[in-house]
Amino acid sequence: QQPVQSPQAVILREGEDAVINCSSSKALYSVHWYRQKHGEAPVFLMILLKGGEQKGHEKISASFNEKKQQSSLYLTASQLSYSGTYFCGTEGPSWGKLQFGAGTQVVVTP
Amino acid sequence: GAVVSQHPSWVICKSGTSVKIECRSLDFQATTMFWYRQFPKQSLMLMATSNEGSKATYEQGVEKDKFLINHASLTLSTLTVTSAHPEDSSFYICSAKTSGFTDTQYFGPGTRLTVL
Repeated sequence: QQPVQSPQAVILREGEDAVINCSSSKALYSVHWYRQKHGEAPVFLMILLKGGEQKGHEKISASFNEKKQQSSLYLTASQLSYSGTYFCGTEGPSWGKLQFGAGTQVVVTP
Repeated sequence: GAVVSQHPSWVICKSGTSVKIECRSLDFQATTMFWYRQFPKQSLMLMATSNEGSKATYEQGVEKDKFLINHASLTLSTLTVTSAHPEDSSFYICSAKTSGFTDTQYFGPGTRLTVL
C-alpha cells in the first residue's frame, strides 16, 4: 500500500525551512528519500533504517519513527536547488521493494 | 559510483510495434533491478522486480505478456513493450540495487515512450 505524503506541495522563499511527512499503515523496515526534477530520474537522498534513525546531508535531514511508521524530511535554509518533487519510498520487513508516495512538490523562489 | 544507464532516452513508435528498453548498471553488479512507470505529475508505480537469471515478478495488474522483462546478466535488464498502443505512452524508469536487503536503489535516467 502506497505511503501517504504531506503536504502535496509547498512554496518557499530561499532560506526558509520546510518539513515533508511520509506515513504508512504498515510496519516499515526502512524509508528511502528521493528528489526528482522535471523530466529527470529520481536522485537518492538518504535511507533511514528502523531503530529511530536520523540522518542529514548538508541542510537536508530526516528522521524515522518506526513506532509511528512515519518519516519526516527537513529542508533547512532552503536553496534554489532544492526545488523538485520529493518522494518517500517505504520498505516493509519482507518486501524487498519500495512503495512510493505520491510526492511533494517543492518550489523555492528567490 | 552507482551509475545506472538506460537506452534509449526517448522513443516514438507506431501503434502495434514492439519497443525494447535497456537498463544497465555501469559500475556495480545488480542482483535486482526494478521497472517503474510514471505518468506526468504522478508517483512511481512499480511494474516488476527482476532478478538475474530468474523470471521477473510482476505487480498486480501488470500484463506480463505485454511487458516482457529479461535480466540476462548482473548488469543488464531489458523491458520490451510488445504491440504498443497509445495508452502505453509513459516515462519508464529502471532502478538497480545490489544484494543487500536495504541497499539503495539507483535510478536510471528514464525512457520517454510515445506511441502514435
